[in-house]
Amino acid sequence: RKEVEQDPGPFNVPEGATVAFNCTYSNSASQSFFWYRQDCRKEPKLLMSVYSSGNEDGRFTAQLNRASQYISLLIRDSKLSDSATYLCVVNQAGGSYIPTFGRGTSLIVHP
Amino acid sequence: GAVVSQHPSWVICKSGTSVKIECRSLDFQATTMFWYRQFPKQSLMLMATSNEGSKATYEQGVEKDKFLINHASLTLSTLTVTSAHPEDSSFYICSAAGLAGPRYNEQFFGPGTRLTVL
Repeated sequence: RKEVEQDPGPFNVPEGATVAFNCTYSNSASQSFFWYRQDCRKEPKLLMSVYSSGNEDGRFTAQLNRASQYISLLIRDSKLSDSATYLCVVNQAGGSYIPTFGRGTSLIVHP
Repeated sequence: GAVVSQHPSWVICKSGTSVKIECRSLDFQATTMFWYRQFPKQSLMLMATSNEGSKATYEQGVEKDKFLINHASLTLSTLTVTSAHPEDSSFYICSAAGLAGPRYNEQFFGPGTRLTVL
């Protein structure tokens, strides 16, 4: 079983739709979690960190469920510019941490 | 703030040559730098983690004699692909971490280097 798993998609949604992605991780000692966005042939860019209490940034909401070992990303009111690959990143224990990337979920928002 | 640059952005070389890629943190001191490789339609695969002044820690399956990493200062790490072969063609991305406070483990990525070995 892979350490970090994501549904590769693609998720094909119309503008204005709400879409949610999940990411599961296998290492219960994982300490910190992030969502990154990667556009085609570009480097990943941090979208948001994921906190235990959940956090929201505009149209984006991230949740962490430690008991079930998954994180989620909810995008409301999708825009065409949201089309990208969304990567979840899980870091193991703090100190000298080891980041593990999921393979990404592709989102296509169409008019 | 927290800008990371990579050089070169792309390189084409002949099989058997060595290629050096530089990763620099421009406005912060990066205590840790990471090197990743990404093949088309694949996820980023961590190759190695390097801390300034220490030997890099390589992930399983990554040949340390082939992928030489030097992290000589808090703002510069280099990856040298020695005796490159066509199968080494990939997108190589570095990231740096080291901000103070709650963002200490946030990674900032360089723009990547696209390597094509003929």
